[in-house]
Amino acid sequence: DGGITQSPKYLFRKEGQNVTLSCEQNLNHDAMYWYRQDPGQGLRLIYYSQIVNDFQKGDIAEGYSVSREKKESFPLTVTSAQKNPTAFYLCASSPRPGPTGELFFGEGSRLTVL
Amino acid sequence: DQQVKQNSPSLSVQEGRISILNCDYTNSMFDYFLWYKKYPAEGPTFLISISSIKDKNEDGRFTVFLNKSAKHLSLHIVPSQPGDSAVYFCAASLYSGAGSYQLTFGKGTKLSVIP
Repeated sequence: DGGITQSPKYLFRKEGQNVTLSCEQNLNHDAMYWYRQDPGQGLRLIYYSQIVNDFQKGDIAEGYSVSREKKESFPLTVTSAQKNPTAFYLCASSPRPGPTGELFFGEGSRLTVL
Repeated sequence: DQQVKQNSPSLSVQEGRISILNCDYTNSMFDYFLWYKKYPAEGPTFLISISSIKDKNEDGRFTVFLNKSAKHLSLHIVPSQPGDSAVYFCAASLYSGAGSYQLTFGKGTKLSVIP
């Protein structure tokens, strides 16, 4: 089945540790995105990538890093510099970077910092 | 500064009746508007969209209306069903340069359809 797979689904981290969230898609989509959702908040864009080996910062990129070495993969690293990392993280992809903006989302990863 | 606003955090509707979810925006440069539906612990799924040059788009039980002069759009669900109970996000698409478009999401409205 085609889709977006995020792992792990739940992750606990101690303060000061970096953690990497995985996102893999087999939809052959060029564009991939990382969003963060907090309770009572909309989805906020962290990073996005329109093509392999290229990515841009979104609205809340501070404390995060990404890479796009393969079309299928767009991992997100939450670094110790992120002040409030506990959140629900959503990865998405899009078949084309056009204005219609239809995104296909993974099931999300919930990160809790202890 | 919130560019896409959903002012109602929650809405309860009786099964079979109409559900109306509202969304306001501030940026007149948005190209497209989209609605996403999200169940708990799942990613959002695309529901319906509308171009900024149209005022209505219909897909089965779902209709989106756009009022550009008021910078307002609404999603109508008729008739509402219990399976429609979810959080609905309004989103707006904006060209961000170099062939890229970004989506800005509202905070969401939780719809509860009561059997």
